[in-house]
Amino acid sequence: GESVGLHLPTLSVQEGDNSIINCAYSNSASDYFIWYKQESGKGPQFIIDIRSNMDKRQGQRVTVLLNKTVKHLSLQIAATQPGDSAVYFCAENTGTASKLTFGTGTRLQVTL
Amino acid sequence: DTGVSQDPRHKITKRGQNVTFRCDPISEHNRLYWYRQTLGQGPEFLTYFQNEAQLEKSRLLSDRFSAERPKGSFSTLEIQRTEQGDSAMYLCASSHPQGGYEKLFFGSGTQLSVL
Repeated sequence: GESVGLHLPTLSVQEGDNSIINCAYSNSASDYFIWYKQESGKGPQFIIDIRSNMDKRQGQRVTVLLNKTVKHLSLQIAATQPGDSAVYFCAENTGTASKLTFGTGTRLQVTL
Repeated sequence: DTGVSQDPRHKITKRGQNVTFRCDPISEHNRLYWYRQTLGQGPEFLTYFQNEAQLEKSRLLSDRFSAERPKGSFSTLEIQRTEQGDSAMYLCASSHPQGGYEKLFFGSGTQLSVL
């Protein structure tokens, strides 16, 4: 079946630097995308979402970029902090109900 | 706390035993989802409810699994005759669709270990 995947399993960045986490999706019918952050022992926490009629959306310290031409999604975190250390998942939705399809995840490690 | 709550947080059981998990969604959310997550993987959809109606079940959900949401509020997920392969984190999420799009809010999950 079609799935969401990530380019890098682990990303290590220094505190204060910007982080970019990438995600490739394969279902061209996907019309809604979400980034989740998951800390150890906790459930996924909503970070930011974007609809397919947009190519960029900004939140607090985070920006999601969507390139539908190449089916690529990215999450940018500005001024990365130790509290940003977690596994990040992108997820896509194609249906009327939110049966999200998640990728494997990227672990973000923030070094001091 | 007005988030999604799940109980228990951890469950250790012996193979062949039955287990039941509970999820209390955010109170105004009419949709409730169950997902399963294994180590290093993203969550996988199991089933979802709109109010008390179970509208879809994944092929991952074998006959040993059953979920209910009798009054359209809390939900239970039961696994009968547990197997070691059932060991995973079971996540519940809820949402209230707006404009055709939904943000799922997840609970902290129930970590199941089958010995």
